[in-house]
Amino acid sequence: DIQLTQSPSFLSASVGDRVTITCRASQGISSYLAWYQQKPGKAPKLLIYAASTLQSGVPSRFSGSGSGTEFTLTISSLQPEDFATYYCQQLNSYPWTFGQGTKVENK
Amino acid sequence: EVQLVQSGAEVKKPGESLKISCKASGYSFTNYWIGWVRQMPGKGLEWMGIIYPGGSDTRYSPSFQGQVTLSADKSISTAYLQWSSLKASDTAVYYCVRKIAAAGAAFDYWGQGTLVTVSS
Repeated sequence: DIQLTQSPSFLSASVGDRVTITCRASQGISSYLAWYQQKPGKAPKLLIYAASTLQSGVPSRFSGSGSGTEFTLTISSLQPEDFATYYCQQLNSYPWTFGQGTKVENK
Repeated sequence: EVQLVQSGAEVKKPGESLKISCKASGYSFTNYWIGWVRQMPGKGLEWMGIIYPGGSDTRYSPSFQGQVTLSADKSISTAYLQWSSLKASDTAVYYCVRKIAAAGAAFDYWGQGTLVTVSS
C-alpha cells in the first residue's frame, strides 16, 4: 500500500497567515492526489484534485502543487472558516489511501 | 443538484447484520463510481471500497475485503454497504462518496454520514 505522511500533524496559525501543509507519498503517485477539508461533525469537502486543480466553488486562497512523491496545500491568507482538519488522498493505485490529517488551530 | 443522502444512525449488537444505504440524486447514477469511507471515533479517513453501478464492477481495500459487501440498485439510484456479522470495532461514521469521472480524480460529493454503533 502507498503510505501518505502529512506534516505537520498540528498547526497553530492566525487569521491572515499563509499556511502550508505537506503530503509525502511512500512511492510515486504522479499527480493523483486530492486534498479535503473536514470540520467537526461534518463530511469532508473536496478542495483540490489532480494535485493542483481547484474544485468548483472553492476559494482561490487554496492552492495545491507537486507531483511524484511530494505535494503541498497552501492557504494564502487563512480565514476564520478555514480552521479545520485537512487530509490528502492518493488515487494512483489501489488501495486508495489518506494521510493522517493536519489539524489547523487558532493560535 | 447532486445529493447523496444516507440512511440514519444505527445501534446494533455484536454479531448482528446491517445494511446501510446511500440514495443518489441530481446526476446519472450509472455513470459514476460510488465509494465508502470509514471514520472511526476521533480518527482519520479510511477508504473501504468502490462500486460502479453501471456494471457492478467492485473494488475493495484489502483491509475491508471479506468484512463488508458493496452493492447498488440502479433502479432506485441507491448504493449499499452491508455487514453480515458486526464487531465492536465497526463502530464508526460511514460516508458514501461519488468519484469524479476522470481517471485518478477524487471524491467530489459526500453523503452526510451514517453513525454505526456496535455495543453489547
